[in-house]
Amino acid sequence: QSVLTQPPSVSGAPGQRVTISCTGSNSNIGAGYNVHWYQQVPGIAPKLLISANNNRPSGVPDRFSGSKSGTSASLAITGLQAEDEADYYCQSYDSSLSGNWVFGGGTKLTVL
Amino acid sequence: QVHLQQSGPGLVTPSQTLSLTCVISGDSVSSNSAKWHWIRQSPSRGLEWLGRTYYRSKWYNDYAISVKSRITINPDASKNQFSLQLNSVTPEDTAVYYCAREDSTSGFDIWGQGTMVTVSS
Repeated sequence: QSVLTQPPSVSGAPGQRVTISCTGSNSNIGAGYNVHWYQQVPGIAPKLLISANNNRPSGVPDRFSGSKSGTSASLAITGLQAEDEADYYCQSYDSSLSGNWVFGGGTKLTVL
Repeated sequence: QVHLQQSGPGLVTPSQTLSLTCVISGDSVSSNSAKWHWIRQSPSRGLEWLGRTYYRSKWYNDYAISVKSRITINPDASKNQFSLQLNSVTPEDTAVYYCAREDSTSGFDIWGQGTMVTVSS
C-alpha cells in the first residue's frame, strides 16, 4: 500500500479535462513538502511532468497543471489528447520513519 | 544535457548480491547541488525509493528503512558514476531498477533507462 493515495484509473474523451488526485498525510504533503508528478509510458522510465507542486519543466505543454492544498494535491490535464494515455504518479518527501521519498500507487489514464 | 546510463546483470541468484552502475554524463557525481538516487518499480510494490548519495564537502548516504541492512550506494568520482549493491536478494527484489537525479526541489528530473532485474535460480 502506497503512502500517497491515487485513484487506480481515470478516463476522458479527447478534448476533455481530467484530474488526478493524490492524498497524503501530515508527515508528507501536509507538512509542506513539494509534490511532483510523473508521466510513464509502459516500458519507459518516468518523466517529470510537474515539479514542486505547480511548475512545468521545459517542454511540458501548458495543458498540464498541478495544485496542492492541505494534505492533497491534484494534476489537471485539459484538452485531452490520445498521446496523454499513460500512467501518472505523484511523489513527495515524508518525514516519518517509513521512508523518505514516497510515491503514489499510480493512475492509469485512458483516452476514450 | 544530462544523461544517466545504467548497466548490470538482469538475472541474480537468490541470496546473492545485486549490483548495478549508473554512469553520469553532463553533470558530476561530486556536484554540490545534485543528489543521486536509486529507485525500483515492481507490480507488487510500485515505485519504491531505495537510497541516495551526494557530496557536500564530504560524501553522504541515505537509505530506505526497508532495505537499510542490505544496501550500499557508492559514488566513484574518478568514473563519474555511482553504484547500487543489494545483498541477500530474494524473489521479492525482482523489479525494474532506476537511477535518478534529485533536483533542487526534491523531485527527480533525470532518470536512467531502467534495468529489469530478476531474482531467480
